[in-house]
Amino acid sequence: AQKVTQAQTEISVVEKEDVTLDCVYETRDTTYYLFWYKQPPSGELVFLIRRNSFDEQNEISGRYSWNFQKSTSSFNFTITASQVVDSAVYFCALSGYSGGGADGLTFGKGTHLIIQP
Amino acid sequence: DAGVIQSPRHEVTEMGQEVTLRCKPISGHDYLFWYRQTMMRGLELLIYFNNNVPIDDSGMPEDRFSAKMPNASFSTLKIQPSEPRDSAVYFCASSLMSSPQYFGAGTRLSVL
Repeated sequence: AQKVTQAQTEISVVEKEDVTLDCVYETRDTTYYLFWYKQPPSGELVFLIRRNSFDEQNEISGRYSWNFQKSTSSFNFTITASQVVDSAVYFCALSGYSGGGADGLTFGKGTHLIIQP
Repeated sequence: DAGVIQSPRHEVTEMGQEVTLRCKPISGHDYLFWYRQTMMRGLELLIYFNNNVPIDDSGMPEDRFSAKMPNASFSTLKIQPSEPRDSAVYFCASSLMSSPQYFGAGTRLSVL
């Protein structure tokens, strides 16, 4: 069975601070994919990133970066120089070999990130 | 390009009534998923289709729930009869086999 744990229910920081959202996963699959989605106050789910289990390279996209560590079963997400527009609920998710396209996603409970001006 | 389109965005109904939620996937996508989001259970997969055929409906909570995909551009999720505990946000997502899932804006259902 697959499981995703986001232990941080809510994080509040002041604008321009860096913040890291934690994600720990469990799976018996040897090939799997990890995802981050953003849910802003408007409610939609926005895809941010997907990584497969064979690629442990860190990824950076602007102010966003992701750290995948297979040894600790973690896929953490860091926002550098946070902005008020980053306020949202962030979900970490896990899928099997298909990369998410051909099987369902297992989501964590989400982390509510509040960026205060 | 248009994303996944769900309708209605909000639905308020009374217990016992039939509710139908609609989804139009991204053109060309051959996988379609229905998820439900509640405070207690978070985001959970209800059912998904491939080429209009249901592949896994093990997440459908009970017989009151049914989903259909009559063609590649349309799917429905029906609840009959509805109950207050069905109140949730229902999301539809679509994908290609090797792509991430892209979600619609969701339908917020309130059953009174």
